[in-house]
Amino acid sequence: GAGVSQTPSNKVTEKGKYVELRCDPISGHTALYWYRQSLGQGPEFLIYFQGTGAADDSGLPNDRFFAVRPEGSVSTLKIQRTERGDSAVYLCASSATNTEAFFGQGTRLTVV
Amino acid sequence: AQSVTQPDIHITVSEGASLELRCNYSYGATPYLFWYVQSPGQGLQLLLKYFSGDTLVQGIKGFEAEFKRSQSSFNLRKPSVHWSDAAEYFCAVALSSGSARQLTFGSGTQLTVLP
Repeated sequence: GAGVSQTPSNKVTEKGKYVELRCDPISGHTALYWYRQSLGQGPEFLIYFQGTGAADDSGLPNDRFFAVRPEGSVSTLKIQRTERGDSAVYLCASSATNTEAFFGQGTRLTVV
Repeated sequence: AQSVTQPDIHITVSEGASLELRCNYSYGATPYLFWYVQSPGQGLQLLLKYFSGDTLVQGIKGFEAEFKRSQSSFNLRKPSVHWSDAAEYFCAVALSSGSARQLTFGSGTQLTVLP
């Protein structure tokens, strides 16, 4: 597609449930990033993929968060045992080598 | 670790007035610098970036920014604001070395434009 696509656009889940958030990057972009944006804050880095491997996962807040990119294209962010504090907009971005990142519109996750 | 400060949480200007949004960063070397805009329900859109060279950079939608090394600043400017510029603006930095481009964002400045 022309841009970074994220699905779903909105997700409401109950506390303790498992969720998956999907990101389709721009075709040909080798780098993919996940960010989390809490209300009133700037996005915060979670994880960065170069190809299929996670090159830097230092931003993941704890082991309930995990992300994969098995074929070097689509990525899934997985959150286990969701907590109310996980409520935020999750942003995905992709970039070609050494160029700026292009962001998707995000998935708004609400944990009730 | 690098950090980004946007000291103005909210700015209100009249349509047609000039605009300056402030951004200061903390980092030992010169980072890559970016300004993004986020409209309600929209993703982040890149306005402009500075990697090296001319310290005054031009971006889309009539925006420009000036990198001042001595002040560790990268302020965003526009000479005449349009109502459609109302949005939230984020300054961001990325490490200048390595292949990673993870960004550190400021907390944003919300711009309101009065008719």
